[in-house]
Amino acid sequence: DAGITQSPRHKVTETGTPVTLRCHQTENHRYMYWYRQDPGHGLRLIHYSYGVKDTDKGEVSDGYSVSRSKTEDFLLTLESATSSQTSVYFCAISPGLAYEQYFGPGTRLTVT
Amino acid sequence: DAKTTQPPSMDCAEGRAANLPCNHSTISGNEYVYWYRQIHSQGPQYIIHGLKNNETNEMASLIITEDRKSSTLILPHATLRDTAVYYCTYSGGGADGLTFGKGTHLIIQP
Repeated sequence: DAGITQSPRHKVTETGTPVTLRCHQTENHRYMYWYRQDPGHGLRLIHYSYGVKDTDKGEVSDGYSVSRSKTEDFLLTLESATSSQTSVYFCAISPGLAYEQYFGPGTRLTVT
Repeated sequence: DAKTTQPPSMDCAEGRAANLPCNHSTISGNEYVYWYRQIHSQGPQYIIHGLKNNETNEMASLIITEDRKSSTLILPHATLRDTAVYYCTYSGGGADGLTFGKGTHLIIQP
């Protein structure tokens, strides 16, 4: 299995508070992705990174920001969490475009 | 609207080949077909992908039709641990990301 970890694995937070999720890889892959998975909506891309300090928006980026200061770490921040951001968040890594993506174990976030 | 169409569920006997179909009629010429599976509450697991040729790896085989509008994932000797939701999708990478629909819930029967 690809070396991907996500932290925290579970988090409960209140509406309006900032939240940062961390994705860490040991594979030295160039591409990293953040997705959310919700019943009825499937898997949707939030943001992705194609290198250190190089990021771009995905399908559902509103309310989220990302940062990548090192190859191995990709952070997802919810500046002011809302109940609609309650979801399971997955990080994925890939060595390049059109290559397979390997997913982390996920973070279950509940915003109350 | 879903990018792909898959049957919602399928059963297969343990030890037999499981053949999972997928329709992806809107795929573009430079987009790859990907198959993933997800066991409850775990992260999606990559299985196989291809552009237009049939592909085989240690987990499965992928058969893509000549017009590329559909594909079939074949698990040659299904085991109970293959029970999962299987997702078919296609992407050119980057901002396209991966989009999963509802997938096929494959149940391997002992």
